[in-house]
Amino acid sequence: DAKTTQPTSMDCAEGRAANLPCNHSTISGNEYVYWYRQIHSQGPQYIIHGLKNNETNEMASLIITEDRKSSTLILPHATLRDTAVYYCIVSALYNFNKFYFGSGTKLNVKP
Amino acid sequence: NAGVTQTPKFRVLKTGQSMTLLCAQDMNHEYMYWYRQDPGMGLRLIHYSVGEGTTAKGEVPDGYNVSRLKKQNFLLGLESAAPSQTSVYFCASSYPRRAAGAQETQYFGPGTRLLVL
Repeated sequence: DAKTTQPTSMDCAEGRAANLPCNHSTISGNEYVYWYRQIHSQGPQYIIHGLKNNETNEMASLIITEDRKSSTLILPHATLRDTAVYYCIVSALYNFNKFYFGSGTKLNVKP
Repeated sequence: NAGVTQTPKFRVLKTGQSMTLLCAQDMNHEYMYWYRQDPGMGLRLIHYSVGEGTTAKGEVPDGYNVSRLKKQNFLLGLESAAPSQTSVYFCASSYPRRAAGAQETQYFGPGTRLLVL
């Protein structure tokens, strides 16, 4: 599975959009991009995933570049409860859904 | 639905002791996984199972054994605990790929905090 690179930490003002980048330059054609978050050592929580098209759900939007080498998770109106570690994961279609987590990005939402 | 549950929530062991961590899921998922998370780091895959009676090694399998005798349960065993196994252990489960081109998500339990002295 392709490795991912994320900034160690980011700050965001409450009510503003949080844009979390992820680099996955070695991604292959059958690998999906997943985003999970982990709030204060709880079990990771699924946010969104995509293959090549942009995706949106009730939690967030996922923007994947045309060459698929990077992506951005967008939380449109960050709240204090969105403070968490956000993991970008690349997982191949035929590998039994195995995930390889990096260190993630610690998002600090400030009042 | 309880989702994914883990037992116990917290445990302290002495070096050389053994224990079993239990993971249970009520979503009828085929796939189950055990991860460990050390302080300040991401999760690392220990073992996984793609069905009842089958298990396979992940990234960091040494020192652990697993069993999947029932579809809903996935057990992680430490035969002789070492301080290096002090960690938080997370279990997860997912469906296999159910449709062409589809990908499935993993659902995680709340974790078991293990301290080995």
